[in-house]
Amino acid sequence: SQQGEEDPQALSIQEGENATMNCSYKTSINNLQWYRQNSGRGLVHLILIRSNEREKHSGRLRVTLDTSKKSSSLLITASRAADTASYFCATDAWNDYKLSFGAGTTVTVRA
Amino acid sequence: GAVVSQHPSRVICKSGTSVKIECRSLDFQATTMFWYRQFPKQSLMLMATSNEGSKATYEQGVEKDKFLINHASLTLSTLTVTSAHPEDSSFYICSARSVADGNTIYFGEGSWLTVV
Repeated sequence: SQQGEEDPQALSIQEGENATMNCSYKTSINNLQWYRQNSGRGLVHLILIRSNEREKHSGRLRVTLDTSKKSSSLLITASRAADTASYFCATDAWNDYKLSFGAGTTVTVRA
Repeated sequence: GAVVSQHPSRVICKSGTSVKIECRSLDFQATTMFWYRQFPKQSLMLMATSNEGSKATYEQGVEKDKFLINHASLTLSTLTVTSAHPEDSSFYICSARSVADGNTIYFGEGSWLTVV
């Protein structure tokens, strides 16, 4: 089941710019994960942030989590054409590892 | 990161036949695997949770007799689409939970099923 909403649905930016996308969810979570999906391909795991964490970095990626607002954001800095993909957030609840996916944000990075 | 392999990546089958898709965790053991279905330009919809050594748990609205799941070992789960129809054509993706990696969920590359 899907419990997340992602915003915006689509994003088009110039190479070198930053891309920010947001994810909101409805119920209490244990972890929130961000994934990237290139068209017609599987999902690549980007970052996992736990419910007791507020911010996490991995290379050019920065994820924040605000459990009081039930929202998370993914920032991609200095974007590249290869970052063009759909990005999904997914949440799981305590002791239940089923992932609920958001609708996804399609990011297009123009060269 | 951990690797999950799906096979076949693309398959075409005739209406009425059955097709099996394999999901393997290559470098970790996975007691729990998940099967998703994704329609074009849409998000992933969870079909079922595959538990090693026990029956799969299906999501509401998913026909367990049509989508047979077997998780016979700690590294392999299979999804068999029985008596396939054109409306079963879709992108099927599996994922596996890595306990050793903090319960991170890793996904396979997906399998395109076309029923003609």
